[in-house]
Amino acid sequence: TQLLEQSPQFLSIQEGENLTVYCNSSSVFSSLQWYRQEPGEGPVLLVTVVTGGEVKKLKRLTFQFGDARKDSSLHITAAQPGDTGLYLCAGPDLTGKLIFGQGTTLQVKP
Amino acid sequence: DAGVIQSPRHEVTEMGQEVTLRCKPISGHDYLFWYRQTMMRGLELLIYFNNNVPIDDSGMPEDRFSAKMPNASFSTLKIQPSEPRDSAVYFCASSLGSGQSRETQYFGPGTRLLVL
Repeated sequence: TQLLEQSPQFLSIQEGENLTVYCNSSSVFSSLQWYRQEPGEGPVLLVTVVTGGEVKKLKRLTFQFGDARKDSSLHITAAQPGDTGLYLCAGPDLTGKLIFGQGTTLQVKP
Repeated sequence: DAGVIQSPRHEVTEMGQEVTLRCKPISGHDYLFWYRQTMMRGLELLIYFNNNVPIDDSGMPEDRFSAKMPNASFSTLKIQPSEPRDSAVYFCASSLGSGQSRETQYFGPGTRLLVL
């Protein structure tokens, strides 16, 4: 069974700090996606990484796919209260279904 | 486009009652997914359809759960009879492809179900 493990589970930081969230697996994934979910809403796709070693930037967010395509990280620079939410990584299993990590809950305090 | 539409947004019911959740996917999307989210188990895929046909229902927890997609613009998830452990947020999502094709899944706002 393919699993995605995220760490940390919870993160509470002050505005302006940097942070990194990790998504790890013992299995190889053809691609990984990162979603952000705000309270009371559904997840929204942030990025898809498909090539081992790939780095993608979305404003203050930097996403990296591990060389072996078994892990990914999300780095946020100078976090803002608007970054608060649940961050989920997801990848397709061998049947094509999307499986999700448990998520990292981020709280950015002003 | 209005995005994926789900109704109701909130549902409170008593154990044993039938619950029906509804979803209208984004027009033109040929995949529709039903997920359940709980604190304990996270976000789990229950079932997905391609062109209105159920493809994989291995995530449906029990025979009490059933899903239909009578046409391209409507799907239902039914729980009968409901139990307190079914309390969760149920999401519907749609996309132009499955996860393996790396297509974006667009999620609805969810239905928060509480079974007393």
